[in-house]
Amino acid sequence: KNQVEQSPQSLIILEGKNCTLQCNYTVSPFSNLRWYKQDTGRGPVSLTIMTFSENTKSNGRYTATLDADTKQSSLHITASQLSDSASYICVVSAEYGNKLVFGAGTILRVKS
Amino acid sequence: EAQVTQNPRYLITVTGKKLTVTCSQNMNHEYMSWYRQDPGLGLRQIYYSMNVEVTDKGDVPEGYKVSRKEKRNFPLILESPSPNQTSLYFCASSHIPGRYGYTFGSGTRLTVV
Repeated sequence: KNQVEQSPQSLIILEGKNCTLQCNYTVSPFSNLRWYKQDTGRGPVSLTIMTFSENTKSNGRYTATLDADTKQSSLHITASQLSDSASYICVVSAEYGNKLVFGAGTILRVKS
Repeated sequence: EAQVTQNPRYLITVTGKKLTVTCSQNMNHEYMSWYRQDPGLGLRQIYYSMNVEVTDKGDVPEGYKVSRKEKRNFPLILESPSPNQTSLYFCASSHIPGRYGYTFGSGTRLTVV
């Protein structure tokens, strides 16, 4: 069964600190993996996308990694800001790209 | 501005009263989809459409209907809403979801009492 599991469920960190969110998947055949940021009350917005051959992708203070062998991805946030408070959702594309499997998300809260 | 527009943003209704949530996109995307989001469960696909007049069930289609008469619009219809359909709903569109990702609407928070 195609599944995406994220950890932790929620996380609280102090402003300026770094954090890493995890995503494990059992999706086959794998097409690509995308991290979305969802602010409260808004729709998700794409942060990064990685295909099978890519193992690192950065978008400003966000860096995603992918290990296709172990089927794991991480999202690292550097020097966190209050505006990083959001839910972060890992999404894996299967079946040649049109079937998306969503993780339940990690809720991040950045405190001052 | 490229966007997906959903209406209404908030809706409270009573059990059994038919309702429609509208969705419109201005990006000429072929692919449109409806998701519901519930705490701890993530986004689950209700219905999707790969083009005009082509619709298919997603993972949780029971109690919902959709139509795709025009490329830009993809309304979600609840013929007889029930309390278990209380949720946050998102419409999304894309040329090819797996390759380009989705553009999501801002969501519709539906409460059925």
